[in-house]
Amino acid sequence: RKEVEQDPGPFNVPEGATVAFNCTYSNSASQSFFWYRQDCRKEPKLLMSVYSSGNEDGRFTAQLNRASQYISLLIRDSKLSDSATYLCVVNILSNFGNEKLTFGTGTRLTIIP
Amino acid sequence: DAEITQSPRHKITETGRQVTLACHQTWNHNNMFWYRQDLGHGLRLIHYSYGVQDTNKGEVSDGYSVSRSNTEDLPLTLESAASSQTSVYFCASRSGSDTGELFFGEGSRLTVL
Repeated sequence: RKEVEQDPGPFNVPEGATVAFNCTYSNSASQSFFWYRQDCRKEPKLLMSVYSSGNEDGRFTAQLNRASQYISLLIRDSKLSDSATYLCVVNILSNFGNEKLTFGTGTRLTIIP
Repeated sequence: DAEITQSPRHKITETGRQVTLACHQTWNHNNMFWYRQDLGHGLRLIHYSYGVQDTNKGEVSDGYSVSRSNTEDLPLTLESAASSQTSVYFCASRSGSDTGELFFGEGSRLTVL
């Protein structure tokens, strides 16, 4: 089983719709969670961190479910500019201060006019 | 503005040649990372550094080396390039916190013939 798994998509969604995708992780010791966005042939950029209590940034909402070991990203009122690949990132910090930052393979989202 | 730059952005080389990819950041970040990105694998960690003279192996370090002689630079060297090392390489930096944002360079596309 992969440490971080995402549905690769593609998700083709009409403009204005709401879309959600999940990311599951296998290591229960995972401590930090993030969503990054990557445009075609560009570098990844941080979209948002994911906190235990859930967090919202404008049209974007991220949730963490530790019991079921997944994080989710919800995009409301989707815009054409939301078309990108969304990468789930999970960080595990050991007692020795070592960390392991693991990226999912990404979910490709296309917003259709 | 502070930034992270990679060079070259594109390179074609032959099997067996030594290749060095440069990464330079002006944020004065302690943490620097090298990833490769391939279809179906997502971003995989090659090497990382938490400060000057500190280097560590990531999950796919075989055939690669790094050195950290100053805060700003973390060059990645392929000692003897192989076709399996054809990939897009991303350098990233972070201030120091394990929950901090990773800032990525624009990527270096390497083709090994």
